[in-house]
Amino acid sequence: DARVTQTPRDKVTEMGQEVTMRCQPILGHNTVFWYRQTMMQGLELLAYFRNRAPLDDSGMPKDRFSAEMPDATLATLKIQPSEPRDSAVYFCASGSPNEQFFGPGTRLTVL
Amino acid sequence: GDSVTQMEGPVTLSEEAFLTINCTYTATGYPSLFWYVQYPGEGLQLLLKATKADDKGSNKGFEATYRKETTSFHLEKGSVQVSDSAVYFCALGYRDDKIIFGKGTRLHILP
Repeated sequence: DARVTQTPRDKVTEMGQEVTMRCQPILGHNTVFWYRQTMMQGLELLAYFRNRAPLDDSGMPKDRFSAEMPDATLATLKIQPSEPRDSAVYFCASGSPNEQFFGPGTRLTVL
Repeated sequence: GDSVTQMEGPVTLSEEAFLTINCTYTATGYPSLFWYVQYPGEGLQLLLKATKADDKGSNKGFEATYRKETTSFHLEKGSVQVSDSAVYFCALGYRDDKIIFGKGTRLHILP
């Protein structure tokens, strides 16, 4: 049963610290998405990749967020420096044509 | 641009009641339409989809029909259960590309 995995599941950090979230997409999927979910804003698309190349990162604050796919089995989302307003659940999803499969999310709390 | 509008929640129903969650869309092309469901503490998962006009998607007793003339994709279930309590997202997307999600509708089912 293929699944998207994300680590860590929970992260508590202090303002100003660097945070790295990792995602392992489903093998064979060529699109990978990063979303952020908060009560106030709902589900927001931060960035997505096709065949490891970034296609759209317009939803991401460029000054502190970065997303990469160093290889086909790993996607990373980094926040440096983190701020309290970054507290949210971050989801990774990988896609086959006409469907996205979501990971369980990383719950980030920035104090 | 493309967008999805769904009814605001929360929606509260008694067990065995009939459910309708309204969803309308605006699209520049011919997208596929989706309903995703998010259970507490989990990522989104695909509930059903329809890829062209007049298609009906169905799963777990839920149904939705792709209506091009009314640009709608309303979710229905004849008899809801407590286990259906979740957040439901209507969405549209094009093959192998990003999916545009609605804001979600929280559903509470009372025993």
